Amino acid sequence: QQQVKQSPQSLIVQKGGISIINCAYENTAFDYFPWYQQFPGKGPALLIAIRPDVSEKKEGRFTISFNKSAKQFSLHIMDSQPGDSATYFCAAIGAGNQFYFGTGTSLTVIP
Amino acid sequence: EAQVTQNPRYLITVTGKKLTVTCSQNMNHEYMSWYRQDPGLGLRQIYYSMNVEVTDKGDVPEGYKVSRKEKRNFPLILESPSPNQTSLYFCASSLSNYHQETQYFGPGTRLLVL
Repeated sequence: QQQVKQSPQSLIVQKGGISIINCAYENTAFDYFPWYQQFPGKGPALLIAIRPDVSEKKEGRFTISFNKSAKQFSLHIMDSQPGDSATYFCAAIGAGNQFYFGTGTSLTVIP
Repeated sequence: EAQVTQNPRYLITVTGKKLTVTCSQNMNHEYMSWYRQDPGLGLRQIYYSMNVEVTDKGDVPEGYKVSRKEKRNFPLILESPSPNQTSLYFCASSLSNYHQETQYFGPGTRLLVL
């Protein structure tokens, strides 16, 4: 049973475009929602994270939008660059310290 | 350099032959965790540890064992590996047990069980 559902599985965006990746969860005990970026051959690295008391968080070109009532959150990458081509994972964590990740989105940014 | 290291990076073994994947961090982190990554399934947590001698099951602990005898090391043990344990394994650590602390991942260990 997937605790966090992520879509799309893959995404192709033109350079300069906006990349949008969506995640949904069911367990209202989750209270921390990070996004991780993974390049081929590397481990995931934290990109940006949000708490459910905030509806939006922006760091540079990366923005998380959070809809608590719908139990959904999304990652927006503005002005997408070829260097952003990677796999992105959303995750959800509760106070019990168990981490649940989405299934991943492979992003390709075409020059 | 602050890092999480895993050894070996690549391993081919046969069904039933016990193996250990080591994980070590040099950041004095309290929390350590193991994940497996499979296509279409993302990362799934196997075990985690909030301190020395304290370990807990994650989402998919069956077929795995861990130990935390020292703060810096958190080995993953497969007593009798099976082909369905063929996967990419990641160790991670974070400074404290606060679940909103940033996790740092190792480079991964690719395991093939024949």
